[in-house]
Amino acid sequence: SAVISQKPSRDICQRGTSLTIQCQVDSQVTMMFWYRQQPGQSLTLIATANQGSEATYESGFVIDKFPISRPNLTFSTLTVSNMSPEDSSIYLCSALGTLNTGELFFGEGSRLTVL
Amino acid sequence: RKEVEQDPGPFNVPEGATVAFNCTYSNSASQSFFWYRQDCRKEPKLLMSVYSSGNEDGRFTAQLNRASQYISLLIRDSKLSDSATYLCVVNILGDMRFGAGTRLTVKP
Repeated sequence: SAVISQKPSRDICQRGTSLTIQCQVDSQVTMMFWYRQQPGQSLTLIATANQGSEATYESGFVIDKFPISRPNLTFSTLTVSNMSPEDSSIYLCSALGTLNTGELFFGEGSRLTVL
Repeated sequence: RKEVEQDPGPFNVPEGATVAFNCTYSNSASQSFFWYRQDCRKEPKLLMSVYSSGNEDGRFTAQLNRASQYISLLIRDSKLSDSATYLCVVNILGDMRFGAGTRLTVKP
């Protein structure tokens, strides 16, 4: 299994500011992902965080709004830029387990509220 | 059409009941299938993988029908602790796609 730590666990931010969420995995993993879960909704994939190169974004998500870094196999960051109230959501970091079972492990999520 | 569609729910059942959730997926290139469980204000966690031959884990049985692009989860003898949202997850060419989730409440 993989244990994933995210921080901050929650934050309240002002419109127009940016927030960076950090994700640390306790083991080296090949695949890391960032998801968003809006209230009462399921998870939406934002992007795949690629080690040493630009992230792969899903339709509707762009690098300028959600820059992602992944400097090594255990760490990634997601920045939510120029925030608006519509960005209020839970942001979840996840990693594909190393046992090739296809299991995704998740961090506890970062609950963001934008005023 | 959404890539992964689930029963809308919510399901409210008494303890001991049997409940079944359905899920359909649209992409025939889907490679692997899972049921995840998400408790309120918690992150999703794997409940079980779904295999073509069907698989059982205690009170939980998962079935896959590739021809119909359909997945199911059956919970027997429901417990209060089964109350959660159940997410159907499909691996489509390396991307994990989540259904909207079905909320289950088991009542005494």
